[in-house]
Amino acid sequence: KQEVTQIPAALSVPEGENLVLNCSFTDSAIYNLQWFRQDPGKGLTSLLLIQSSQREQTSGRLNASLDKSSGRSTLYIAASQPGDSATYLCAAPGGGATNKLIFGTGTLLAVQP
Amino acid sequence: AAGVIQSPRHLIKEKRETATLKCYPIPRHDTVYWYQQGPGQDPQFLISFYEKMQSDKGSIPDRFSAQQFSDYHSELNMSSLELGDSALYFCASRRGAEKLFFGSGTQLSVL
Repeated sequence: KQEVTQIPAALSVPEGENLVLNCSFTDSAIYNLQWFRQDPGKGLTSLLLIQSSQREQTSGRLNASLDKSSGRSTLYIAASQPGDSATYLCAAPGGGATNKLIFGTGTLLAVQP
Repeated sequence: AAGVIQSPRHLIKEKRETATLKCYPIPRHDTVYWYQQGPGQDPQFLISFYEKMQSDKGSIPDRFSAQQFSDYHSELNMSSLELGDSALYFCASRRGAEKLFFGSGTQLSVL
């Protein structure tokens, strides 16, 4: 059974800092992993999807890496901005007929101006 | 580009009432998922449909049911509502193994 863990649960950084969010998953037989952003009371916005054949995926100031062998993924945010403040969730396929996504508990990020 | 559409955005019900949530997936997406997110919790998978057939089931109470119609929209029906059903309900869709896109959610409050 897939279990997804995220560390840290919360993070506060000053504006401009680079930061790393961590995601661990127990079942490494995944074909991809997805990172999402969620603002309070809002829906989930897809940030990056990494296929199992890829090691990294980049979008703007965001870079996500995937290491299936160690069951880990990281989301790197460069030059953080107050607008980056949100909860960041990683999700991995949980198996089953449609490979529903299993979510981690998220990292609540606060970027201080 | 079209996104996943959910309605209503907010719903207030009383205990023991019934609620129906609607979801319109992105065109040409073949799989629809329903998730429940309680306050401060991560989204929990409820149920999914592939090409209008139920394909997977998660922690969905027996009081809940869902279906996908011929036009691919899906409805989540919740009966005998309880206080603990208050949550954000998300619908998501995707095509094959591509990115999963979420709707903005329906905030259900049971009083």
